[in-house]
Amino acid sequence: GAVVSQHPSRVICKSGTSVKIECRSLDFQATTMFWYRQFPKQSLMLMATSNEGSKATYEQGVEKDKFLINHASLTLSTLTVTSAHPEDSSFYICSAGGKVNEQFFGPGTRLTVL
Amino acid sequence: LAKTTQPISMDSYEGQEVNITCSHNNIATNDYITWYQQFPSQGPRFIIQGYKTKVTNEVASLFIPADRKSSTLSLPRVSLSDTAVYYCLVGDTGSGGYNKLIFGAGTRLAVHP
Repeated sequence: GAVVSQHPSRVICKSGTSVKIECRSLDFQATTMFWYRQFPKQSLMLMATSNEGSKATYEQGVEKDKFLINHASLTLSTLTVTSAHPEDSSFYICSAGGKVNEQFFGPGTRLTVL
Repeated sequence: LAKTTQPISMDSYEGQEVNITCSHNNIATNDYITWYQQFPSQGPRFIIQGYKTKVTNEVASLFIPADRKSSTLSLPRVSLSDTAVYYCLVGDTGSGGYNKLIFGAGTRLAVHP
């Protein structure tokens, strides 16, 4: 199947700083990417839909000013956690593709905010 | 998207067949049923998808009754490496556009020696 990469795989930052996570589709173009967050022992929670060339669509309860999403090309979407706090520590996962059976997930990024 | 209900956890032993059932009573006519597998600290991986009756691939089978209100993922002869969380999702793949995935709680399968 298609490959989706994320960078970095894990990051540790101080409270109040911003962290950028990249999601790349390596061998296909993705007009739509999705960002999820997963806390320990819990399921994936959809945060937002990233649309190439337009604004992201955020799920209810997700602060768009805190989680900035940029989808500047057909192979790259970035999620920036602004002014990160310890409660933002989580596993962030992206997926790329269009239809349900064609969504490919990245390996995830472990964010730890001290 | 239709809500799904799965057992929270299951236990099995190596070499056994494991069947995980998912309920989706409100599935829509255009909805497909898709199963994903997730290992700790990794992104989910597509396992199998179906619309009705039976689908089989190299890793699993998916059984869907005529009313489509449930589905069963069957893993033949599981090994320790099949220990993971399994998610059942339903959604429309035929609209031509994207379809966001809403994950339920999933089933945590533990395979024992």
